[in-house]
Amino acid sequence: KAGVTQTPRYLIKTRGQQVTLSCSPISGHRSVSWYQQTPGQGLQFLFEYFSETQRNKGNFPGRFSGRQFSNSRSEMNVSTLELGDSALYLCASSFDVGWETQYFGPGTRLLVL
Amino acid sequence: GQSLEQPSEVTAVEGAIVQINCTYQTSGFYGLSWYQQHDGGAPTFLSYNALDGLEETGRFSSFLSRSAIYGYLLLKELQMKDSASYFCVLIYNQGGKLIFGQGTELSVKP
Repeated sequence: KAGVTQTPRYLIKTRGQQVTLSCSPISGHRSVSWYQQTPGQGLQFLFEYFSETQRNKGNFPGRFSGRQFSNSRSEMNVSTLELGDSALYLCASSFDVGWETQYFGPGTRLLVL
Repeated sequence: GQSLEQPSEVTAVEGAIVQINCTYQTSGFYGLSWYQQHDGGAPTFLSYNALDGLEETGRFSSFLSRSAIYGYLLLKELQMKDSASYFCVLIYNQGGKLIFGQGTELSVKP
């Protein structure tokens, strides 16, 4: 079974721009979560989608948004990028909401200049 | 509030046993998971405790005590490849939200 895939793997943007990241979960998994990882803050939960509905949201500003499609693929969007948005963005999928085992993708490393 | 505390760094030698503690300050959660992340890699699932007690998976064991609001990950027969960051993760019973600890960087020396 193919693992979680994320595209692109690396991205360089400038302040004020927007960015869209994509995540394809493991086949059969309906829950997709997004995380931001930085050296200073560690791994922080952004949001979770299940069957195209956002079920949970972390404490991030409204510039961070996401969606999930009928095939469970998910995208997250960050608008009006700030320098502090530079981070590794990780996507994880699981069979169901609250499932204890999350399968992580390799991440998208975003650099904002 | 919701917070998890783990030591930031632990160093041990090959073949030894190391314990990484995780303390939390919350209630109403499904369980406690542990993830391993090598530098530049994705976190990978190691273990999950829904109930109090010890769960063993090969060289790794994880323990949870809800009454003591404490858990730990035990790694036996340490190998160099075990050098990585280890995260404890709380799974809340409100929609499955995950809260990650800051991670413990384990360095295994020869």
